Amino acid sequence: DAKTTQPTSMDCAEGRAANLPCNHSTISGNEYVYWYRQIHSQGPQYIIHGLKNNETNEMASLIITEDRKSSTLILPHATLRDTAVYYCIVRVSGYQKVTFGIGTKLQVIP
Amino acid sequence: GAVVSQHPSRVICKSGTSVKIECRSLDFQATTMFWYRQFPKQSLMLMATSNEGSKATYEQGVEKDKFLINHASLTLSTLTVTSAHPEDSSFYICSASRGGESGNTIYFGEGSWLTVV
Repeated sequence: DAKTTQPTSMDCAEGRAANLPCNHSTISGNEYVYWYRQIHSQGPQYIIHGLKNNETNEMASLIITEDRKSSTLILPHATLRDTAVYYCIVRVSGYQKVTFGIGTKLQVIP
Repeated sequence: GAVVSQHPSRVICKSGTSVKIECRSLDFQATTMFWYRQFPKQSLMLMATSNEGSKATYEQGVEKDKFLINHASLTLSTLTVTSAHPEDSSFYICSASRGGESGNTIYFGEGSWLTVV
């Protein structure tokens, strides 16, 4: 799997958009970008994934740059319940073994 | 709703005893599941790959005789911590992959807190 780089921590005001960046400059053409989050004392929760097009679901939006070397996860209206560690992972779709980095600790502030 | 379920969510056991943690894939079959452990304020560390109908594959440094993995069916993998010691106290998490229109997505269980006293 290609390596990813994320900021260690970020703060976001409640109700504002949270933009979490991820660099994956060595991503291969067949690798997807996946985002997960882990709320304290729970297993990681799948958020969204994409290959090259921007994606949106009920939880978040994923913006992937045209060269695919970086991406941004957007939580449009952050709530206190979005406080968690967010992991950006790149992997080939059929490859199930996942290595986790440190992730970004997002703190949503009232 | 949950795609992968673990049980128990919390367990306390005495030193020297064994404890079993179950991981189930809900509404889909998983020939491969993965087991992770996580210490406080650290990231998830992959322990082993559970293969249905065959032996598990362990990551370097993980004792296979201490962490027994059984994947007896396509929806169930179990992790048994044998002769548990306080240093085995940790958060154990499993994962399984489910296919979809845009490839396979990995889902994680809720996690199981093990405390060895």
